[in-house]
Amino acid sequence: AQSVTQLGSHVSVSEGALVLLRCNYSSSVPPYLFWYVQYPNQGLQLLLKYTTGATLVKGINGFEAEFKKSETSFHLTKPSAHMSDAAEYFCAVSGGTSYDKVIFGPGTSLSVIP
Amino acid sequence: EAGVAQSPRYKIIEKRQSVAFWCNPISGHATLYWYQQILGQGPKLLIQFQNNGVVDDSQLPKDRFSAERLKGVDSTLKIQPAKLEDSAVYLCASSQEWLAGSSYNEQFFGPGTRLTVL
Repeated sequence: AQSVTQLGSHVSVSEGALVLLRCNYSSSVPPYLFWYVQYPNQGLQLLLKYTTGATLVKGINGFEAEFKKSETSFHLTKPSAHMSDAAEYFCAVSGGTSYDKVIFGPGTSLSVIP
Repeated sequence: EAGVAQSPRYKIIEKRQSVAFWCNPISGHATLYWYQQILGQGPKLLIQFQNNGVVDDSQLPKDRFSAERLKGVDSTLKIQPAKLEDSAVYLCASSQEWLAGSSYNEQFFGPGTRLTVL
């Protein structure tokens, strides 16, 4: 079984500052890991995913995440926050095959202060 | 390429009433998902179809929720009768057909239907 925790339901950063959103997972099998973004009144959009291979994954809009197996973490970062990054961010895990459902974390709301 | 379409976008009903949501996936996508997203939580999978067959409905409250995907394209999700705790956003997503042993196929999400039960 898989599960996801996201530390901090709300995160505020200043424009231009580093964005760090934390995600820890639990999985009984090698996981696939994802970050999704949800803008108000919209569906979810995939930011990036880790399946196999390189543990540092680059996604859209300048975001990246690093898979650390020893820490069971998949934290999302962006060097410099933009106002347009304000949204809800969801970390998710699945069991590594297309048979396995994707389990979403509770989400972190990111605010960007001008 | 057109995205996943859902309607209606908003619905307000009273408890014990019935409601139905419609989803049209991306053309050619064989796999369709319905998720429930309660305020402040991540989406929870309710049901997954591959073509017109059900792959996973383990978290669907079958005493009141039903879903169908006729002809393997459009899908409807129904709640009958609705309860207060059904207030949520219902998201539809689709992906390309998955095959045994294949890697992950990205899910594309629609904008959702926001249901309020009074």
